Amino acid sequence: DAKTTQPNSMESNEEEPVHLPCNHSTISGTDYIHWYRQLPSQGPEYVIHGLTSNVNNRMASLAIAEDRKSSTLILHRATLRDAAVYYCILRNNNDMRFGAGTRLTVKP
Amino acid sequence: DSGVTQTPKHLITATGQRVTLRCSPRSGDLSVYWYQQSLDQGLQFLIQYYNGEERAKGNILERFSAQQFPDLHSELNLSSLELGDSALYFCASSVEGRTGELFFGEGSRLTVL
Repeated sequence: DAKTTQPNSMESNEEEPVHLPCNHSTISGTDYIHWYRQLPSQGPEYVIHGLTSNVNNRMASLAIAEDRKSSTLILHRATLRDAAVYYCILRNNNDMRFGAGTRLTVKP
Repeated sequence: DSGVTQTPKHLITATGQRVTLRCSPRSGDLSVYWYQQSLDQGLQFLIQYYNGEERAKGNILERFSAQQFPDLHSELNLSSLELGDSALYFCASSVEGRTGELFFGEGSRLTVL
């Protein structure tokens, strides 16, 4: 499986934008970029995914580099409820393996 | 609410015992995934089924087994339980098995005493 690299942790202030980076230099042409988050004591939650073009939904935006070797999950206005572990995953086969993710702390 | 239902939510049992965890996927989803999450570890992929057939296997112990039934619900069987098997077990489902998003249940917390 192609691997991803994310910072272990990040901090943000409430109501400010957050940019969560992910490097995936070995991505193949058919790998989809998926983002999930896991709030404390809950199951992982799907956030967004994309292939080549930037994507927006009600939760976040996904910016994909032109060479697809990196991507950024953008939370436009962080709230305390966004504090979670965020996982960036490449998906193009039957299994779906999570790395360690980025632990986002949101300060009031 | 993701639409994925897992039972039981909590289970306490003794070493050497056997338990069965159940997962009902979202309506219309054909693929089911099982994950284990221990306190000191991340999400470990165990196994994936698509429309009743095993499609991918991860770090699943030989003491563990799973299956997906014709009505698409899935069961994870854990036998000869050890203290180290204490963990949260998550089930997820997706419409198809290769590129679509996963929707996770709330998990089954297993405690082995």
